[in-house]
Amino acid sequence: NAGVTQTPKFRILKIGQSMTLQCTQDMNHNYMYWYRQDPGMGLKLIYYSVGAGITDKGEVPNGYNVSRSTTEDFPLRLELAAPSQTSVYFCASSGKNSGTGESPLHFGNGTRLTVT
Amino acid sequence: AQSVTQLDSQVPVFEEAPVELRCNYSSSVSVYLFWYVQYPNQGLQLLLKYLSGSTLVESINGFEAEFNKSQTSFHLRKPSVHISDTAEYFCAVSDVGSNYKLTFGKGTLLTVNP
Repeated sequence: NAGVTQTPKFRILKIGQSMTLQCTQDMNHNYMYWYRQDPGMGLKLIYYSVGAGITDKGEVPNGYNVSRSTTEDFPLRLELAAPSQTSVYFCASSGKNSGTGESPLHFGNGTRLTVT
Repeated sequence: AQSVTQLDSQVPVFEEAPVELRCNYSSSVSVYLFWYVQYPNQGLQLLLKYLSGSTLVESINGFEAEFNKSQTSFHLRKPSVHISDTAEYFCAVSDVGSNYKLTFGKGTLLTVNP
């Protein structure tokens, strides 16, 4: 039972480089989310999706892009990496809107990104 | 707009001691409340939730939390902690009916020492 799988686990980028963080889930969940976690700051929502073909901005979307062409996959793209994007990135999914309490968030194990 | 305040960023305790992790929220509407736990090098997972009904909710591993509407709090407690409870704990709140947006607190690192 894989759940939510994120790749890579670690990555170091130079300023200005681009990369895609991969996220896939095998639970047939409609809702998918990208969060970033910075020490002492909790989790901030970057983007979310309520189903294939539908995405929307969260709290901190600047510098990121997403797509949702399939139910399973929700990649996060960084186009021009900046030091402020150094963080741990978590992908999550839920069967329904996680805030309703009907379906908890299922998280991947995270991608630790350093931009230097 | 809703917000969540976790009053302690770190809580060190000894094994078998009781612990309380504090969470206060502000919101202009009714809320649902959650505690998530993050073990080292893992993603978060749901520990317990309050949606309605009894204000005291329990998890399967001995944690409990009490919803106090007048004090806008949802503190997490355990009467006797184990080394394996060492983790970061996040309180979260969602506004009922307002697209149920989920907002996380900044987290409390619980360290259980032998």
